[in-house]
Order: sequence, then structure tokens, then C-alpha cells
Amino acid sequence: EVQLVESGGGLVQPGGSLRLSCAGSGFTFSSYSMDWVRQAPGKGLEWVSYISGSSSTIYYADSVKGRFTISRDNAKNSLYLQMNSLRAEDTAVYYCARGDFWADYWGQGALVTVSS
Amino acid sequence: QSALTQPPSASGSPGQSVTISCTGASSDIGGYNYVSWYQQHPGKAPKLMIYEVTKRPSGVPDRFSGSKSGNTASLTVSGLQAEDEADYYCSSYAGSNFWVFGGGTKLTVL
Repeated sequence: EVQLVESGGGLVQPGGSLRLSCAGSGFTFSSYSMDWVRQAPGKGLEWVSYISGSSSTIYYADSVKGRFTISRDNAKNSLYLQMNSLRAEDTAVYYCARGDFWADYWGQGALVTVSS
Repeated sequence: QSALTQPPSASGSPGQSVTISCTGASSDIGGYNYVSWYQQHPGKAPKLMIYEVTKRPSGVPDRFSGSKSGNTASLTVSGLQAEDEADYYCSSYAGSNFWVFGGGTKLTVL
């Protein structure tokens, strides 16, 4: 059974940093592209970042470019999102998801709250 | 403002059919056959319902179907059931913008 489990969410002050992790299991992690998608409270879905299976291709949404860094460790079946210079508008549930042109599996989400 | 435009709400009675539209541009929906639809119940993660415009993942009932014409994609739910009540999001590959989503449609089963 494919499972994606996020961790690392929490409360952080504006300008602060946080690192999210996503542990994958039940599939050959290195063979799949992965993504981060977020959802602000009461709002819709917003794609954040993409990384290919080999980490050779990475994309970011304009809203996070230069502040967020996506990475993965295939030996640990893990995906990461380093978030720096956080803003109030980054407050959201962050989902890791598997796929490139669509996401066939999603994690349960990690809540990130940016507030003083 | 979302890149793709969906109606905020839709509704139908049990057993009826309802169609949700998703309008984009030639740079996303119109340019690629990578439209997907997701169902999201309150407090839950999104679930893939349709991919590549018309394909259904294993386990998704055939009551759910997708289509596309030009820059507009549609999701049709036939034989509405109470458990279909949820938020539905469309998404499309968009080249340099990679993924774009619609703002979501709240489907109510009357």
C-alpha cells in the first residue's frame, strides 16, 4: 500500500524557517517524481514545487521561488521542503504528493502556521 | 485568483447527473491533455478521480467521467450519491508554470 506521511509542521514567526519531511513507503520511491501542494485555510489547492526522481529537474511556483528549497533522499525514501523567510501568506496545510502531470497519491498534510 | 476557473458551487439530487466546468487557456488546458480532477472531503487529503482528461484510476466508480473541449474541461458525476458531496478541484499541466489548479467547486447532494 502506497503511503505518504508528512511531518515537521508547526507555528513559526514571520521571517522564520521550517523544514517539512515526507516519508514514502509501499512503492519504489526513486522511480517517482514528487511534489508539494499547499492549501491555505478555507482556500483552494496551490502547487508549490516539483522534483524529479533523480533530483535532476526542480520547479517552483513564483510565490515561493528563492525562499523554498525542495530536495529528496532516495536512500531514505524521503522528500523535504526547506522553507525560509516565511510570511503570513505561507500559512497552509502542506501536502506531499506523488506524480508529475497529476498526483495519484497524497499525504495527510502538515499544518504550517506563520504568526507572531 | 486561481489560474483555472470553476463555479464555486454545484448541486443535484440523488440519482441525477451534475457537470462541473473548468476553464483555462491555451497555455494549460487547451495545450495539453493533462487535465486531472480531485475530490476532497472536509479535513481530508485530495483524492485523484480523473487523469489525462478522461482516465479513471482503479477504484474510482465509472459514475465519474471527464472530458475536454478547447480550453474548457468538465467533470460529470452521474447517479449522484450522498458520498459524492465534497469539494472538487481541476488541475492542468501548464508548461513553464508546471501545475495550475482551479478554485474548487463545492458539490452538494440535495
